[in-house]
Amino acid sequence: EAGVAQSPRYKIIEKRQSVAFWCNPISGHATLYWYQQILGQGPKLLIQFQNNGVVDDSQLPKDRFSAERLKGVDSTLKIQPAKLEDSAVYLCASSLGRQGRAGYGYTFGSGTRLTVV
Amino acid sequence: GDSVTQMEGPVTLSEEAFLTINCTYTATGYPSLFWYVQYPGEGLQLLLKATKADDKGSNKGFEATYRKETTSFHLEKGSVQVSDSAVYFCALVPMDTGRRALTFGSGTRLQVQP
Repeated sequence: EAGVAQSPRYKIIEKRQSVAFWCNPISGHATLYWYQQILGQGPKLLIQFQNNGVVDDSQLPKDRFSAERLKGVDSTLKIQPAKLEDSAVYLCASSLGRQGRAGYGYTFGSGTRLTVV
Repeated sequence: GDSVTQMEGPVTLSEEAFLTINCTYTATGYPSLFWYVQYPGEGLQLLLKATKADDKGSNKGFEATYRKETTSFHLEKGSVQVSDSAVYFCALVPMDTGRRALTFGSGTRLQVQP
């Protein structure tokens, strides 16, 4: 089966500019996640979707970050305006598991490496 | 809130040495526990998992046992290879909430020398 697709792989922007990342999850996976991985740290959840609804966005900096999942499939994550501290790898993951069920696997994309200068 | 604590790296070993990477967690209820691996230049891959107390996850010679009494999930391998050099992340998913997202530790870099 095809994996989780993300684009672009790399992006360099100046601070205060805007940027968008795209994710296409595994077909049939209802749950989609966006994580931020700063160099030397573990991934941190930004937002979780169940189909096209938001389950958890408590750690999403909503003054500058936004995300949507149209029709419960593809998703985009946007940053506007970007700050230097947003430099990180942005990972998308999807899973088959529904809320309250155990042990379903997650599949991660290769990520988008963002550098803000 | 939920959290995962891993031993700091880097861990440097010679080939065929025994590996232990410590992981402890804080969570309400009984989470599922995971080890993920990130090889240089690649994405995160699931290495092994355990979903209840005393379960042992294993894969590619790596093992980890879910210890509820010590809230631990230490990763072990009897004989490491150069190809095991990577960053290892311990993670959990809480069981008693609707949120199914992984909470990761900070990662431990393993360097295996020939």
